[in-house]
Amino acid sequence: GQQVMQIPQYQHVQEGEDFTTYCNSSTTLSNIQWYKQRPGGHPVFLIQLVKSGEVKKQKRLTFQFGEAKKNSSLHITATQTTDVGTYFCAGLKAGSYQLTFGKGTKLSVIP
Amino acid sequence: GAVVSQHPSWVICKSGTSVKIECRSLDFQATTMFWYRQFPKQSLMLMATSNEGSKATYEQGVEKDKFLINHASLTLSTLTVTSAHPEDSSFYICSARGRWNTEAFFGQGTRLTVV
Repeated sequence: GQQVMQIPQYQHVQEGEDFTTYCNSSTTLSNIQWYKQRPGGHPVFLIQLVKSGEVKKQKRLTFQFGEAKKNSSLHITATQTTDVGTYFCAGLKAGSYQLTFGKGTKLSVIP
Repeated sequence: GAVVSQHPSWVICKSGTSVKIECRSLDFQATTMFWYRQFPKQSLMLMATSNEGSKATYEQGVEKDKFLINHASLTLSTLTVTSAHPEDSSFYICSARGRWNTEAFFGQGTRLTVV
């Protein structure tokens, strides 16, 4: 079945440093989505990428979708303590209604 | 974004009893609902998917007789954990998608503790 690999599993950064998490799918995706889960909370939708090579920005967050539509990345510039949480990517396979989640990257920010 | 309400947010039950968890989409019609289980410090594990008008599709390794899913209407899905055991203790989260969305909106989750 479809697999979505996400690395790293954990990342500890000093406040102000950058952070990147990577997502790789075993199959071509129709779109990829990113979610953030704060400690004790539920996943919240951040963004969706649909087009090959697409890049989207939300303030300090930059999301990229690979040319082959099989990989994606989330980059946070100058992390803040409010960025703490687990970031999940989720891939939607072409022709399917099912989202497959990566294992998530847990981000800790040291003040 | 759209609102999905999950109830209860936490429940403690005795071993051998059944627990029902509700998931409601408040401002859209959820044509597809997903149920996940999340162990501490781990990712979301998809348990089952239910589409409008059809029975739930369970993931491999998930007992359908133990985790009963009912997509009663376009705004309500329920997960019943039957004859619960301590190993069923976990965080259960639902998510819902509408006909015209591809993104999923999550409920707040239910912390189940079986004693």
